[in-house]
Amino acid sequence: DQQVKQNSPSLSVQEGRISILNCDYTNSMFDYFLWYKKYPAEGPTFLISISSIKDKNEDGRFTVFLNKSAKHLSLHIVPSQPGDSAVYFCAATGTGTASKLTFGTGTRLQVTL
Amino acid sequence: EPEVTQTPSHQVTQMGQEVILRCVPISNHLYFYWYRQILGQKVEFLVSFYNNEISEKSEIFDDQFSVERPDGSNFTLKIRSTKLEDSAMYFCASRLSGTPYEKLLFGSGTQLSVL
Repeated sequence: DQQVKQNSPSLSVQEGRISILNCDYTNSMFDYFLWYKKYPAEGPTFLISISSIKDKNEDGRFTVFLNKSAKHLSLHIVPSQPGDSAVYFCAATGTGTASKLTFGTGTRLQVTL
Repeated sequence: EPEVTQTPSHQVTQMGQEVILRCVPISNHLYFYWYRQILGQKVEFLVSFYNNEISEKSEIFDDQFSVERPDGSNFTLKIRSTKLEDSAMYFCASRLSGTPYEKLLFGSGTQLSVL
């Protein structure tokens, strides 16, 4: 039951370039989407979120885009920095399931010098 | 920033044994959660807890699992009789309110290895 999918297990980007991480979802009840970053031996850390009433949310170097008709969201990091190297999880929730997050499988981002 | 604290960081146990994973959520938070991540897989919701009772649980959270907030500061996850497939990283999380717009803060996790 993969309601949230991240089809790219890994991504390598050069420092200073743009990183684009993608996420697809299938559950139409989801109306709030989040990105979490995770370093080894640490818990997920909240990065940025977007409500379904918006199509874009920006916070510094991080921008999340939401395409509701395609049930697709993406995280853009620009410029990418070596410290951004981590696993990025897309997560979704809905008003009917307000307490829990449904996570994707994650994308490991490697930012190279 | 305040942190969610989990102990121990690693727990090794024999199959069939009981384990208790401990968490100290952020002090003014009211909603508490357990998630787990089996190696190489996604982070999965186990249970949410509010007002001293379970508010939602997943299919994974069967009769072998229980949660408790024994003293107003700790939040524990007990697995009564561990199985090999319970081996995973277990994350505790908390938030101030139940709305999804409220940031959910995670602890660093307890790596449970069932032998």
